[in-house]
Amino acid sequence: GAGVSQSPSNKVTEKGKDVELRCDPISGHTALYWYRQSLGQGLEFLIYFQGNSAPDKSGLPSDRFSAERTGGSVSTLTIQRTQQEDSAVYLCAIPPGQNYGELFFGEGSRLTVL
Amino acid sequence: AQSVTQPDIHITVSEGASLELRCNYSYGATPYLFWYVQSPGQGLQLLLKYFSGDTLVQGIKGFEAEFKRSQSSFNLRKPSVHWSDAAEYFCAVGARGSQGNLIFGKGTKLSVKP
Repeated sequence: GAGVSQSPSNKVTEKGKDVELRCDPISGHTALYWYRQSLGQGLEFLIYFQGNSAPDKSGLPSDRFSAERTGGSVSTLTIQRTQQEDSAVYLCAIPPGQNYGELFFGEGSRLTVL
Repeated sequence: AQSVTQPDIHITVSEGASLELRCNYSYGATPYLFWYVQSPGQGLQLLLKYFSGDTLVQGIKGFEAEFKRSQSSFNLRKPSVHWSDAAEYFCAVGARGSQGNLIFGKGTKLSVKP
């Protein structure tokens, strides 16, 4: 969506390589989420940023996954030593208002690991 | 543990027919409940939500959903389906008091026959 820009839209990489996925939300949103959508698996929560608080990393599937959010705006999700099972669409989302659970999703970054 | 089950992976209905998509959740208390839709090539969009109060909630695009505590269900309905409703539908649950991380079902893909 227009409120969340994700790049790259598509990424093909070889197994073992590192990848960085970027999320650039419109300004003014202190909360930011990363989700992963694997084929046939629905959406899986990965990580949550809220202002200056420590992020909730409880959804990260392994220590190969990390994310940061600098300056309270742009966020990058890094996957090290990619594996084929990392192939998925990675979605960034922000809450557009104060209503709990209403998330505005970006169009995602489709990652394919060969 | 919280979970969401969407029993139907794929449903096909004729245009103009009624639709019901099933969603069952597992949660220790009354959760927040959501339905999101993902149209082909588009991002996820919130259809409707239930927080409290009236158990029949209205959403966008003519959709409604009913929260039934006794059945732990939150089924999505539409009286007359349009071809543009073909999409994938995700039910989600959020825990009250949490930071807003949603647990999604695996989705139901809706196809519409002319």
